[in-house]
Amino acid sequence: SQTIHQWPATLVQPVGSPLSLECTVEGTSNPNLYWYRQAAGRGLQLLFYSVGIGQISSEVPQNLSASRPQDRQFILSSKKLLLSDSGFYLCAWTYRDRVTGELFFGEGSRLTVL
Amino acid sequence: AQRVTQPEKLLSVFKGAPVELKCNYSYSGSPELFWYVQYSRQRLQLLLRHISRESIKGFTADLNKGETSFHLKKPFAQEEDSAMYYCALSGGLTGGGNKLTFGTGTQLKVEL
Repeated sequence: SQTIHQWPATLVQPVGSPLSLECTVEGTSNPNLYWYRQAAGRGLQLLFYSVGIGQISSEVPQNLSASRPQDRQFILSSKKLLLSDSGFYLCAWTYRDRVTGELFFGEGSRLTVL
Repeated sequence: AQRVTQPEKLLSVFKGAPVELKCNYSYSGSPELFWYVQYSRQRLQLLLRHISRESIKGFTADLNKGETSFHLKKPFAQEEDSAMYYCALSGGLTGGGNKLTFGTGTQLKVEL
């Protein structure tokens, strides 16, 4: 069966520090991968998506970047965190060639920037 | 651009009462609509999709293209239905493939 792992679960970082959130998928190949941010009152905002290794599309301009060094690995990064980067980050995957619309979400990473 | 609107942040009902969570969308093409649910301390997961025309845990949702709505309904609320519900829209395999646009969510609270 397929699983998705996301870490760390909780992170407290000072303003200006770097960030690295990691996500890996097991049990499937060539998934589409996504990073969402969940903020109170704002729902889920799509930040990045990837349809293959090294292929990253950004949905909104921001202080964050994403990379996909391996087929089932998706990393969310920042060189210098801002207060506004605080939030709950969700990684998700879906089958690339199936129009199911079903995203499979990780457990999330809660980031607090102080 | 695609947009999903959930007008209610919080909906409180009594056990056994009917439930309707509202969702309206804006999309120029032929959309696929979904409802996702997040129970306390659990992952966000798919509840149902309009294309399947299914009833899951007693919930149903009908796509009304004329009113651009996809409201989620259940005739008799149960305590275990308390959760955060998100309506989502997909334009299908275009560009990034299966990108979902989510609404802001509605917290359903079922009281005894």
